[in-house]
Amino acid sequence: DADVTQTPRNRITKTGKRIMLECSQTKGHDRMYWYRQDPGLGLRLIYYSFDVKDINKGEISDGYSVSRQAQAKFSLSLESAIPNQTALYFCATRKADTQYFGPGTRLTVL
Amino acid sequence: GENVEQHPSTLSVQEGDSAVIKCTYSDSASNYFPWYKQELGKGPQLIIDIRSNVGEKKDQRIAVTLNKTAKHFSLHITETQPEDSAVYFCAASKFEGKSTFGDGTTLTVKP
Repeated sequence: DADVTQTPRNRITKTGKRIMLECSQTKGHDRMYWYRQDPGLGLRLIYYSFDVKDINKGEISDGYSVSRQAQAKFSLSLESAIPNQTALYFCATRKADTQYFGPGTRLTVL
Repeated sequence: GENVEQHPSTLSVQEGDSAVIKCTYSDSASNYFPWYKQELGKGPQLIIDIRSNVGEKKDQRIAVTLNKTAKHFSLHITETQPEDSAVYFCAASKFEGKSTFGDGTTLTVKP
């Protein structure tokens, strides 16, 4: 079984809709991250959490929110989706300096 | 904040040849430099890393070199194989700090 899982793997939604992307991990790591990947660009940090109830903004948090419901779960929400949020989204955990990424969610906003 | 530049953006080599990808960073306090490989449809996976107290690290066909003075580090893949085809990302961070990623290099190994 994968250590970091993301659901859904693909999602198509319409402008203005609220959607949630979910991430679960079995690695037992306290630190979790949400990144966004656009074609030709690296991974940009949206939000991160060092523990349950701890939430920190990354470099591109506008238009997104997160919830850390338990050590193993970290969800990303788009309150009102817009087309320029079309991207590949990755969840990751971290222990020491090493990050472990999930398989990604491909989100398309029409 | 930290800025990481990665070159080239695309690289095509013949099977068996070597491939080199270079990154430069701006923050002299950065001390951890990992390289990730992203295969199609998958998340990035750590393949090798180096810390600022080491100049070179090797793991079978892959190696990473670090020049702290010039603030650049490189990934070297020797005897490339088709399964090495992927997107490669470099990153830089400080201890317990956030990672800053390069824009990625798409490596194609032609059989």
